[in-house]
Amino acid sequence: QKEVEQNSGPLSVPEGAIASLNCTYSDRGSQSFFWYRQYSGKSPELIMFIYSNGDKEDGRFTAQLNKASQYVSLLIRDSQPSDSATYLCAVKGGSQGNLIFGKGTKLSVKP
Amino acid sequence: GAVVSQHPSRVICKSGTSVKIECRSLDFQATTMFWYRQFPKQSLMLMATSNEGSKATYEQGVEKDKFLINHASLTLSTLTVTSAHPEDSSFYICSARSGGPGNTIYFGEGSWLTVV
Repeated sequence: QKEVEQNSGPLSVPEGAIASLNCTYSDRGSQSFFWYRQYSGKSPELIMFIYSNGDKEDGRFTAQLNKASQYVSLLIRDSQPSDSATYLCAVKGGSQGNLIFGKGTKLSVKP
Repeated sequence: GAVVSQHPSRVICKSGTSVKIECRSLDFQATTMFWYRQFPKQSLMLMATSNEGSKATYEQGVEKDKFLINHASLTLSTLTVTSAHPEDSSFYICSARSGGPGNTIYFGEGSWLTVV
Protein backbone atom coordinates (compact mmCIF):
# COMPACT_ATOMS: atom_id res chain seq x y z
CA GLN A 1 0.00 0.00 0.00
CA LYS A 2 1.35 3.36 -1.02
CA GLU A 3 1.82 5.66 1.95
CA VAL A 4 2.67 9.26 2.64
CA GLU A 5 3.95 10.11 6.08
CA GLN A 6 4.01 13.44 7.83
CA ASN A 7 4.66 14.51 11.37
CA SER A 8 1.28 15.61 12.69
CA GLY A 9 2.77 18.37 14.81
CA PRO A 10 1.79 20.83 15.96
CA LEU A 11 4.83 22.66 14.73
CA SER A 12 5.13 26.01 16.43
CA VAL A 13 7.41 28.76 15.10
CA PRO A 14 7.68 32.47 15.93
CA GLU A 15 6.61 35.07 13.42
CA GLY A 16 9.37 35.80 10.93
CA ALA A 17 11.09 32.43 11.36
CA ILE A 18 11.46 29.66 8.81
CA ALA A 19 8.98 26.82 9.10
CA SER A 20 10.17 23.46 7.81
CA LEU A 21 7.62 20.78 6.96
CA ASN A 22 8.67 17.28 6.03
CA CYS A 23 7.13 14.37 4.19
CA THR A 24 8.24 10.88 3.17
CA TYR A 25 6.60 8.55 0.70
CA SER A 26 6.77 4.82 0.18
CA ASP A 27 6.42 4.41 -3.58
CA ARG A 28 9.83 4.89 -5.19
CA GLY A 29 8.17 5.24 -8.57
CA SER A 30 6.21 8.37 -7.62
CA GLN A 31 6.84 11.29 -9.93
CA SER A 32 4.62 14.17 -8.84
CA PHE A 33 4.48 15.81 -5.43
CA PHE A 34 2.19 18.49 -4.09
CA TRP A 35 1.84 20.67 -1.05
CA TYR A 36 -1.60 21.89 -0.02
CA ARG A 37 -2.63 24.21 2.79
CA GLN A 38 -5.87 23.59 4.62
CA TYR A 39 -7.40 26.04 7.05
CA SER A 40 -9.74 24.61 9.64
CA GLY A 41 -13.12 23.82 8.13
CA LYS A 42 -11.98 24.71 4.63
CA SER A 43 -10.96 22.82 1.54
CA PRO A 44 -7.26 22.33 0.69
CA GLU A 45 -5.64 24.90 -1.56
CA LEU A 46 -2.64 24.15 -3.71
CA ILE A 47 0.59 25.85 -2.69
CA MET A 48 2.97 24.27 -5.15
CA PHE A 49 3.99 21.14 -6.95
CA ILE A 50 7.40 19.69 -7.71
CA TYR A 51 8.57 16.94 -10.05
CA SER A 52 12.33 17.26 -10.25
CA ASN A 53 14.99 16.68 -7.64
CA GLY A 54 16.19 19.84 -5.98
CA ASP A 55 14.52 23.05 -4.92
CA LYS A 56 11.61 24.96 -6.37
CA GLU A 57 10.90 28.42 -5.07
CA ASP A 58 7.69 30.42 -5.22
CA GLY A 59 7.63 33.57 -3.15
CA ARG A 60 8.12 32.68 0.49
CA PHE A 61 7.69 28.98 -0.23
CA THR A 62 10.39 26.52 -1.27
CA ALA A 63 9.67 22.89 -2.03
CA GLN A 64 12.55 20.44 -1.89
CA LEU A 65 12.52 16.99 -3.43
CA ASN A 66 14.97 14.14 -2.93
CA LYS A 67 13.77 11.09 -4.81
CA ALA A 68 16.68 8.93 -3.66
CA SER A 69 15.63 9.46 -0.06
CA GLN A 70 11.92 9.54 -0.94
CA TYR A 71 11.62 12.83 0.87
CA VAL A 72 9.77 16.06 0.15
CA SER A 73 9.85 19.19 2.24
CA LEU A 74 8.29 22.62 2.29
CA LEU A 75 10.04 25.65 3.70
CA ILE A 76 8.11 28.77 4.57
CA ARG A 77 10.29 31.84 5.00
CA ASP A 78 9.28 34.85 7.06
CA SER A 79 6.39 32.90 8.59
CA GLN A 80 3.25 34.90 9.30
CA PRO A 81 0.38 34.15 11.69
CA SER A 82 -1.81 33.77 8.59
CA ASP A 83 0.33 30.78 7.61
CA SER A 84 -1.08 28.89 10.60
CA ALA A 85 -2.89 25.95 9.04
CA THR A 86 -2.52 22.26 8.34
CA TYR A 87 -0.14 21.48 5.50
CA LEU A 88 -0.86 18.40 3.46
CA CYS A 89 1.75 16.58 1.45
CA ALA A 90 0.36 14.62 -1.49
CA VAL A 91 1.83 12.23 -3.99
CA LYS A 92 0.23 11.32 -7.26
CA GLY A 93 0.20 7.59 -7.12
CA GLY A 94 -3.18 6.07 -7.74
CA SER A 95 -4.01 4.06 -10.81
CA GLN A 96 -6.21 6.88 -12.03
CA GLY A 97 -3.86 9.66 -11.13
CA ASN A 98 -5.45 10.47 -7.81
CA LEU A 99 -3.51 11.97 -4.96
CA ILE A 100 -2.46 10.07 -1.89
CA PHE A 101 -2.39 12.39 1.09
CA GLY A 102 -0.41 12.42 4.27
CA LYS A 103 -2.30 13.18 7.45
CA GLY A 104 -0.98 16.72 7.48
CA THR A 105 1.21 18.79 9.76
CA LYS A 106 -0.43 21.48 11.80
CA LEU A 107 1.63 24.67 11.79
CA SER A 108 1.17 27.42 14.34
CA VAL A 109 2.95 30.74 13.81
CA LYS A 110 3.06 32.78 17.00
CA PRO A 111 3.03 36.61 16.76
CA GLY B 1 -5.50 29.07 -11.06
CA ALA B 2 -8.20 26.68 -12.10
CA VAL B 3 -11.52 26.97 -10.28
CA VAL B 4 -13.63 24.14 -9.00
CA SER B 5 -17.00 25.02 -7.55
CA GLN B 6 -18.92 22.81 -5.15
CA HIS B 7 -22.51 23.18 -4.04
CA PRO B 8 -24.05 23.25 -1.50
CA SER B 9 -21.42 24.37 0.97
CA ARG B 10 -23.54 23.23 3.91
CA VAL B 11 -26.53 20.97 4.06
CA ILE B 12 -28.57 19.44 6.84
CA CYS B 13 -30.79 16.52 6.06
CA LYS B 14 -32.95 14.10 7.97
CA SER B 15 -31.85 10.54 8.53
CA GLY B 16 -33.08 8.31 5.72
CA THR B 17 -33.23 10.99 3.07
CA SER B 18 -30.87 11.58 0.16
CA VAL B 19 -28.74 14.58 -0.61
CA LYS B 20 -26.92 15.58 -3.80
CA ILE B 21 -23.65 17.47 -3.95
CA GLU B 22 -22.48 19.06 -7.19
CA CYS B 23 -18.92 19.64 -8.33
CA ARG B 24 -18.20 21.85 -11.32
CA SER B 25 -14.97 22.77 -13.05
CA LEU B 26 -15.55 26.37 -14.10
CA ASP B 27 -12.72 27.17 -16.47
CA PHE B 28 -11.46 23.82 -17.68
CA GLN B 29 -12.77 20.46 -18.76
CA ALA B 30 -12.22 17.66 -16.32
CA THR B 31 -12.44 14.13 -17.60
CA THR B 32 -11.62 12.92 -14.11
CA MET B 33 -12.94 14.16 -10.81
CA PHE B 34 -12.28 12.77 -7.37
CA TRP B 35 -14.51 12.66 -4.31
CA TYR B 36 -13.01 12.76 -0.84
CA ARG B 37 -14.43 12.60 2.65
CA GLN B 38 -12.79 14.14 5.67
CA PHE B 39 -13.84 13.54 9.26
CA PRO B 40 -12.80 16.09 11.89
CA LYS B 41 -9.05 16.20 12.52
CA GLN B 42 -8.43 13.43 10.02
CA SER B 43 -6.89 13.41 6.59
CA LEU B 44 -8.74 13.33 3.31
CA MET B 45 -9.85 9.88 2.31
CA LEU B 46 -10.51 9.16 -1.34
CA MET B 47 -13.98 7.72 -1.84
CA ALA B 48 -14.18 7.35 -5.57
CA THR B 49 -12.85 8.46 -8.91
CA SER B 50 -15.39 9.84 -11.33
CA ASN B 51 -14.76 9.52 -15.05
CA GLU B 52 -16.86 11.37 -17.59
CA GLY B 53 -19.10 9.04 -19.49
CA SER B 54 -18.28 5.90 -17.54
CA LYS B 55 -18.88 4.33 -14.16
CA ALA B 56 -17.07 5.64 -11.14
CA THR B 57 -14.33 3.64 -9.50
CA TYR B 58 -14.89 3.24 -5.79
CA GLU B 59 -12.24 2.73 -3.14
CA GLN B 60 -12.35 -0.33 -0.98
CA GLY B 61 -14.93 -0.06 1.75
CA VAL B 62 -17.02 2.62 0.05
CA GLU B 63 -20.54 1.47 -0.80
CA LYS B 64 -21.29 2.32 -4.40
CA ASP B 65 -25.04 1.91 -3.90
CA LYS B 66 -25.00 4.39 -1.06
CA PHE B 67 -22.73 6.99 -2.63
CA LEU B 68 -23.98 7.43 -6.17
CA ILE B 69 -21.66 9.29 -8.51
CA ASN B 70 -22.63 10.68 -11.87
CA HIS B 71 -20.19 12.42 -14.20
CA ALA B 72 -22.45 13.32 -17.07
CA SER B 73 -20.39 16.09 -18.60
CA LEU B 74 -16.80 17.30 -18.73
CA THR B 75 -17.55 20.00 -16.18
CA LEU B 76 -19.97 18.40 -13.75
CA SER B 77 -19.86 15.48 -11.34
CA THR B 78 -22.44 14.80 -8.67
CA LEU B 79 -22.33 12.76 -5.48
CA THR B 80 -25.62 11.60 -4.01
CA VAL B 81 -25.62 10.25 -0.49
CA THR B 82 -28.63 7.96 -0.34
CA SER B 83 -30.49 6.97 2.80
CA ALA B 84 -28.20 9.15 4.84
CA HIS B 85 -27.42 8.30 8.43
CA PRO B 86 -25.80 10.40 11.17
CA GLU B 87 -22.50 8.59 10.66
CA ASP B 88 -22.41 9.95 7.11
CA SER B 89 -22.06 13.44 8.54
CA SER B 90 -18.74 14.67 7.26
CA PHE B 91 -16.93 17.16 5.04
CA TYR B 92 -17.16 16.03 1.42
CA ILE B 93 -14.69 17.51 -1.01
CA CYS B 94 -14.43 17.10 -4.74
CA SER B 95 -11.41 17.75 -6.88
CA ALA B 96 -10.80 17.90 -10.59
CA ARG B 97 -7.72 17.33 -12.66
CA SER B 98 -6.88 20.10 -15.08
CA GLY B 99 -5.04 19.58 -18.31
CA GLY B 100 -2.52 22.19 -17.32
CA PRO B 101 1.06 21.72 -16.09
CA GLY B 102 1.39 18.33 -14.55
CA ASN B 103 -2.35 17.70 -14.61
CA THR B 104 -2.63 19.57 -11.34
CA ILE B 105 -5.55 18.69 -9.11
CA TYR B 106 -7.71 21.50 -7.76
CA PHE B 107 -10.23 21.22 -4.97
CA GLY B 108 -13.75 22.50 -4.61
CA GLU B 109 -14.73 24.44 -1.52
CA GLY B 110 -16.15 21.36 0.17
CA SER B 111 -19.61 20.51 1.46
CA TRP B 112 -20.46 20.03 5.10
CA LEU B 113 -23.13 17.39 5.47
CA THR B 114 -24.98 17.01 8.75
CA VAL B 115 -27.49 14.20 9.06
CA VAL B 116 -29.91 14.60 11.95
